[in-house]
Amino acid sequence: AQSVTQLDSHVSVSEGTPVLLRCNYSSSYSPSLFWYVQHPNKGLQLLLKYTSAATLVKGINGFEAEFKKSETSFHLTKPSAHMSDAAEYFCVVSIRGGYNKLIFGAGTRLAVHP
Amino acid sequence: DTEVTQTPKHLVMGMTNKKSLKCEQHMGHRAMYWYKQKAKKPPELMFVYSYEKLSINESVPSRFSPECPNSSLLNLHLHALQPEDSALYLCASSHLTTDTQYFGPGTRLTVL
Repeated sequence: AQSVTQLDSHVSVSEGTPVLLRCNYSSSYSPSLFWYVQHPNKGLQLLLKYTSAATLVKGINGFEAEFKKSETSFHLTKPSAHMSDAAEYFCVVSIRGGYNKLIFGAGTRLAVHP
Repeated sequence: DTEVTQTPKHLVMGMTNKKSLKCEQHMGHRAMYWYKQKAKKPPELMFVYSYEKLSINESVPSRFSPECPNSSLLNLHLHALQPEDSALYLCASSHLTTDTQYFGPGTRLTVL
């Protein structure tokens, strides 16, 4: 069965410092993995998607994630946090390709302090 | 253009009211989804439509009635809701051959 675990419910960083949001997954198949961001009272915005083409995936707004099969991890990073990065981040795994149900992690709230 | 629009942005309704939520996309996606999101929780899938036909119903109570009148439009009809149904309702869409879903901004529903 597919599942995803976000290892931190809250992460707090200072503006200009690196961001690391951790995600581990479990999948019987070669998974599709996503990171979505949700700003307060907004919908979900796709940050990036892994589909096995490359293990390092670059997304929008300077975010990137590295797929590590041996560690079953898909951690999200950004070299330098900006105040506008403060939001809820969801790591998501797809059950299979094509339209279908997504499995969401519990979310990580990122706070950015000046 | 990867935009999904939802109306209204906010909705307050009584338990005896009937209201509808609307979702629209013009990306040519033939799969559309309704999610419910409670505060500080991830979205929970409610319904999936493919080719305008209901393909997944996640055991949602019948007081929620989805409708997909055409390939661009998805409605969620609400009737006799309970206060615990208050939540953010998100719509999403995708191509049938991909699992990448694009989300709308949501409708914030409050049931009094």
